[in-house]
Amino acid sequence: NAGVTQTPKFRILKIGQSMTLQCTQDMNHNYMYWYRQDPGMGLKLIYYSVGAGITDKGEVPNGYNVSRSTTEDFPLRLELAAPSQTSVYFCASSYSQGGSGYEQYFGPGTRLTVT
Amino acid sequence: GDSVTQMEGPVTLSEEAFLTINCTYTATGYPSLFWYVQYPGEGLQLLLKATKADDKGSNKGFEATYRKETTSFHLEKGSVQVSDSAVYFCALSDLARNTGFQKLVFGTGTRLLVSP
Repeated sequence: NAGVTQTPKFRILKIGQSMTLQCTQDMNHNYMYWYRQDPGMGLKLIYYSVGAGITDKGEVPNGYNVSRSTTEDFPLRLELAAPSQTSVYFCASSYSQGGSGYEQYFGPGTRLTVT
Repeated sequence: GDSVTQMEGPVTLSEEAFLTINCTYTATGYPSLFWYVQYPGEGLQLLLKATKADDKGSNKGFEATYRKETTSFHLEKGSVQVSDSAVYFCALSDLARNTGFQKLVFGTGTRLLVSP
């Protein structure tokens, strides 16, 4: 069981470039999440999905897009990268809603720098 | 909206010392409460949780009790080890009434450094 895997681990983007952060889970979880973690801050929810084909915005969705075509994959797309998107990005999954007591399983993160 | 406040770090302790990391919350309902831990270079892992008032969550020697009267969920361990060095996040569940989705709201994290 690999759990939640994310690629790449590190990336440097120039302002205005685009990229996709990949996330895959092999636990057959329905719920998947994308968070960003800024220095000295807690995690902020960007987008979440409750199942294949269903996604919704979290607290900080601007500048990002997601899709969920399969249960396993939940890629995060950055269009027109900006310095404010410099952060560490975590993907997570859970069997049911994380807030209702079900554990969220996190990937190792992607450190993104936009210059 | 609902929020979580944690003590600022870093918390620096010697091995075998007693640990307390304070966490208080503001919530309109009755959230579930969690402690997650992030070891260097890794993602977050659930350490323990409590889903109702007076519940005590425990795992790996860590404990936290859900105190509704003081809106607190302080993390404690009687004797820390070097391997406990990590960042600890307190979190609560926040229900979005329009969608029924329960998200996690995280505190800013507290770094613990344990020296031999």
